[in-house]
Amino acid sequence: ETGVTQTPRHLVMGMTNKKSLKCEQHLGHNAMYWYKQSAKKPLELMFVYNFKEQTENNSVPSRFSPECPNSSHLFLHLHTLQPEDSALYLCASSQDTGGSYEQYFGPGTRLTVT
Amino acid sequence: GQNIDQPTEMTATEGAIVQINCTYQTSGFNGLFWYQQHAGEAPTFLSYNVLDGLEEKGRFSSFLSRSKGYSYLLLKELQMKDSASYLCAVMDSNYQLIWGAGTKLIIKP
Repeated sequence: ETGVTQTPRHLVMGMTNKKSLKCEQHLGHNAMYWYKQSAKKPLELMFVYNFKEQTENNSVPSRFSPECPNSSHLFLHLHTLQPEDSALYLCASSQDTGGSYEQYFGPGTRLTVT
Repeated sequence: GQNIDQPTEMTATEGAIVQINCTYQTSGFNGLFWYQQHAGEAPTFLSYNVLDGLEEKGRFSSFLSRSKGYSYLLLKELQMKDSASYLCAVMDSNYQLIWGAGTKLIIKP
């Protein structure tokens, strides 16, 4: 595997379900990110981890819970979601936060909440 | 508040040149990025500007004017595979990326 991988690619869940999204980066980067992408809207940064420590939490509802066990893996735990949470969830990584470090994105998980 | 503006959609002809504009109002500036995103795929990095002027990379060039809060992405010799969304993002004073909603570029034969 190379780059940034995400599983599952597609997920349909009910509002009472609990599920987790997984992201893995094979680039040796120190920073990882979760984004939400809705149609015709800007990417919304949800969480940032740098050296496994959470450095940003942009007022994300508590029904989204991140976990970063090491600098290569990032999870997003989901519970009691709402239909408006349906979106593409993108994971990204970069060498470090800030500056000219470009972010490498995974293919995303298309989430549908029914 | 912080804001990134770019056109929602543009159409161009194969072989032609197209310029995608981006204007921004952010709290501080630590660089501007352009990303390309094909439908159903991940965004991929195209360019980074932190100083004023033009950065050229093959068929793609990116320009920045910090005093005007303005950038553009110039695509030359358009190919059908250039049909995609182009995302402008600015890194603010807190080193957080502020994203535009993207410009969907449609290339016609």
